[in-house]
Amino acid sequence: KAGVTQTPRYLIKTRGQQVTLSCSPISGHRSVSWYQQTPGQGLQFLFEYFSETQRNKGNFPGRFSGRQFSNSRSEMNVSTLELGDSALYLCASSLGPGTGGNNEQFFGPGTRLTVL
Amino acid sequence: AQSVSQHNHHVILSEAASLELGCNYSYGGTVNLFWYVQYPGQHLQLLLKYFSGDPLVKGIKGFEAEFIKSKFSFNLRKPSVQWSDTAEYFCAVNEGSNYQLIWGAGTKLIIKP
Repeated sequence: KAGVTQTPRYLIKTRGQQVTLSCSPISGHRSVSWYQQTPGQGLQFLFEYFSETQRNKGNFPGRFSGRQFSNSRSEMNVSTLELGDSALYLCASSLGPGTGGNNEQFFGPGTRLTVL
Repeated sequence: AQSVSQHNHHVILSEAASLELGCNYSYGGTVNLFWYVQYPGQHLQLLLKYFSGDPLVKGIKGFEAEFIKSKFSFNLRKPSVQWSDTAEYFCAVNEGSNYQLIWGAGTKLIIKP
C-alpha cells in the first residue's frame, strides 16, 4: 500500500511570491491534515479536510489556505510569502476526521519550503 | 490554550542505558496522548498512544509510556536503548477525538554506539 506522498519535496521561493503544495493520501483515507514544522517549535496544526470540507483550522493567517478534491488529494496554498514561512510542511492522512480511537494519522515526507 | 512541554531538547545516551523523556501538558480535562518518532530521513510515525484504561501503555520497539493524570505527564521510557533509537521524539495531546493534536517541540535523542 503506497504511503502519503507530497510534492514537491523541496521548494525555494522569494518573499511576496505564492506557493502551492500537494498531498496525496493513502488510498481509502478521506481525511488530510496539514502541519508546519520548524526547528524548536514542533508541529503547528494548519487545517484538516475531510470529504472536501475544511473541518478544523489552526491559528494561522488567512494567507494560508487549502482545499481537498473529490479523490481526497489536498493542496495547500500560501500567498504573499514571508521569510518566516520557511519550514517543513507535513501532510498526514487518516481514514476519518480527528485523532480519536483507531483513527491514526500517517505522515508524508514533507515539503521543505525556503523563502529568500 | 493547551500546551505541551518536552523539557529536554537534546539527550545523548550510550547504548544499553535507560531512557526517560518527559512530556507535560496543560489541559485539565479528558485528553488523548501520543508519542511519535521521526528517524533520520524517515517520516513521522506513531510510537504509542493512550486513550483510556491502563495508564501504562506499551508501544513498538520496546517503548512504553505512563500517563500520570495528577502530574499532567506522559513520559516515554525504554529500559535499554539501542543505536537505532537515534531519532527525534514528539509528544502530542488532543483534548477530544474531534480535535487536532497539540505538539511538543520534540526531543532529539542521540545514542552513542
